[in-house]
Amino acid sequence: GAVVSQHPSRVICKSGTSVKIECRSLDFQATTMFWYRQFPKQSLMLMATSNEGSKATYEQGVEKDKFLINHASLTLSTLTVTSAHPEDSSFYICSASVPISYEQYFGPGTRLTVT
Amino acid sequence: GENVEQHPSTLSVQEGDSAVIKCTYSDSASNYFPWYKQELGKRPQLIIDIRSNVGEKKDQRIAVTLNKTAKHFSLHITETQPEDSAVYFCAASKSGNQFYFGTGTSLTVIP
Repeated sequence: GAVVSQHPSRVICKSGTSVKIECRSLDFQATTMFWYRQFPKQSLMLMATSNEGSKATYEQGVEKDKFLINHASLTLSTLTVTSAHPEDSSFYICSASVPISYEQYFGPGTRLTVT
Repeated sequence: GENVEQHPSTLSVQEGDSAVIKCTYSDSASNYFPWYKQELGKRPQLIIDIRSNVGEKKDQRIAVTLNKTAKHFSLHITETQPEDSAVYFCAASKSGNQFYFGTGTSLTVIP
């Protein structure tokens, strides 16, 4: 089946620094990837849609200058949290849509802690 | 945008009983409705899905029903087992594009 990986699985950073999270589709090409954020005991909230070769589309209320998304190849999308603050601490999960299917396959998630 | 509501937020059932989780959506253009099971700290796992051209779908102990007119869909788990305990999320999507998730249901199956 389709496999999506994320790196790192956990990261701790200091307030004010930037953190990059990678999302890779391992055995298929993903023209579209999605980034979600999940706070403890809450739902997955869609942050943005990452399109290969073009600008990401952000959901309402998500700051595009704070959450930089790059989808430079058909197998890699990156999310950079810039000038991170403690309130950015969350579980970040990516997904990739499978061609000719409505399904999305999720990465294992990245636990970000900002101190 | 799409708004998905999910009830109940918590559900406890005795082992062997059935569990039902309900979701409503707002965008009549949504046509794909997956259900995910998520264990603590892990990725969501697809357990069943349904497209809008079908009213019901079943896979062993799990079934999903969809009422397009009323814009609601439900997950039914029969003969529940302790390993069914997890958080379940419904979602709505237009043709597999952006997924909008419900608020989640924490299911506990009591042995």
